[in-house]
Amino acid sequence: EVQLLESGGDLVQPGGSLRLSCAASGFTFSTYAITWVRQAPGKGLEWVAHISGSGDRTFYADSVKGRFTISRDNSKNTLSLQMNSLRVEDTAVYYCAKNMLSGDMRNAFDVWGQGTMVTVSS
Amino acid sequence: EIVLTQSPGTLSLSPGERATLSCRASQSVDSLYIAWYQQKPGQAPRLLIYAASNRATGIPDRFSGSVSGTDFTLIITRLEAEDFAVYYCQQYGRSPWTFGQGTKVEIK
Repeated sequence: EVQLLESGGDLVQPGGSLRLSCAASGFTFSTYAITWVRQAPGKGLEWVAHISGSGDRTFYADSVKGRFTISRDNSKNTLSLQMNSLRVEDTAVYYCAKNMLSGDMRNAFDVWGQGTMVTVSS
Repeated sequence: EIVLTQSPGTLSLSPGERATLSCRASQSVDSLYIAWYQQKPGQAPRLLIYAASNRATGIPDRFSGSVSGTDFTLIITRLEAEDFAVYYCQQYGRSPWTFGQGTKVEIK
């Protein structure tokens, strides 16, 4: 069964840092681009960052560029999101999601994790 | 950035009725790169439709998608109890990938 499992969400103060992880199983991890999508409480979905299967290409939303870093370890089937200089407006559930097809990064997301909650508050 | 505007914000319908959800893009989007997702409270989104009109694996045929220019439509032909949820359209053709603000389908 194809699965994604996020972890690392926590309560952190503004200006602080947090690292999220996404453990993948059930598919050839290195051949699929993976995305982070977030959802603030009671709000809609927001794309955050995207990384190619090999990890050599990354894309970021303007709202997190320069503060967040997406990376992956294909030997461990793990995706990470390093979040620095956190702001109150970064408070959200963070989901990792897998591209439906390998190859082209322009894909719908066919498998999602259950999400991990990040709360930025003093 | 491509802005996706969904309408209506809320759709109040009864089981068995037809639901028509709209999504309008602010710029031209290749229909190959439009998806629809369903999200229920406390759950992750689920992929329904990709490339504007293709059902994802395991999605019942009462769900269908269509496109006309920059207008994309999700139709649920006969609403069942489990279909009451929030629906999001998404474009993934041009970075940044963007989502619509969502349409809530609620029981009338």
